[in-house]
Amino acid sequence: GAGVSQSPSNKVTEKGKDVELRCDPISGHTALYWYRQRLGQGLEFLIYFQGNSAPDKSGLPSDRFSAERTGESVSTLTIQRTQQEDSAVYLCASSLGAGLAGEFYEQYFGPGTRLTVT
Amino acid sequence: TQLLEQSPQFLSIQEGENLTVYCNSSSVFSSLQWYRQEPGEGPVLLVTVVTGGEVKKLKRLTFQFGDARKDSSLHITAAQPGDTGLYLCAGLYSSASKIIFGSGTRLSIRP
Repeated sequence: GAGVSQSPSNKVTEKGKDVELRCDPISGHTALYWYRQRLGQGLEFLIYFQGNSAPDKSGLPSDRFSAERTGESVSTLTIQRTQQEDSAVYLCASSLGAGLAGEFYEQYFGPGTRLTVT
Repeated sequence: TQLLEQSPQFLSIQEGENLTVYCNSSSVFSSLQWYRQEPGEGPVLLVTVVTGGEVKKLKRLTFQFGDARKDSSLHITAAQPGDTGLYLCAGLYSSASKIIFGSGTRLSIRP
């Protein structure tokens, strides 16, 4: 079956421009996560969506970052007025649940979008 | 703030050798996962451990969850070049409904 897909795979943008990254989760997965991974680093949590609950935005690094999710399907991560420090791979993951009941569901990751801000 | 520290950050060993990498925190996890990430791809789940003291084996990989559920280790026996990658641990803090990823151990196996 189809896994998590992300687009574009690569994005080069000029400093100050806005960018929009897209994630298509696995059908039926209620939870969706966005992470940022700088070169050679681990994953930095940005935001997660769980069903119709209010998203957990606690990881967003500044108000230039925002994300939306349409129901339990596609999500977009928007970065406004991009800065060079925003250069990274942005990973999206989806899972059957979000661990609120103490269950740790497997996260299925997309291949990521590599963002380069020049 | 919950933090997950992984050690070592980098490890380069010869094919056939054994190795252990660690994941530590001052906080208690409800459960913990290990993922492996290859270049250009997203992480892929290897195992989930839930019970303190739990040991799980996946072929040449042995995962252990600490008795106090604050730490975990991954031991690889007779490492092979295909084991090369970034190994990430992720802890679930159910009290905060948060999943935290460690910074990773980058493993390189030389033929």
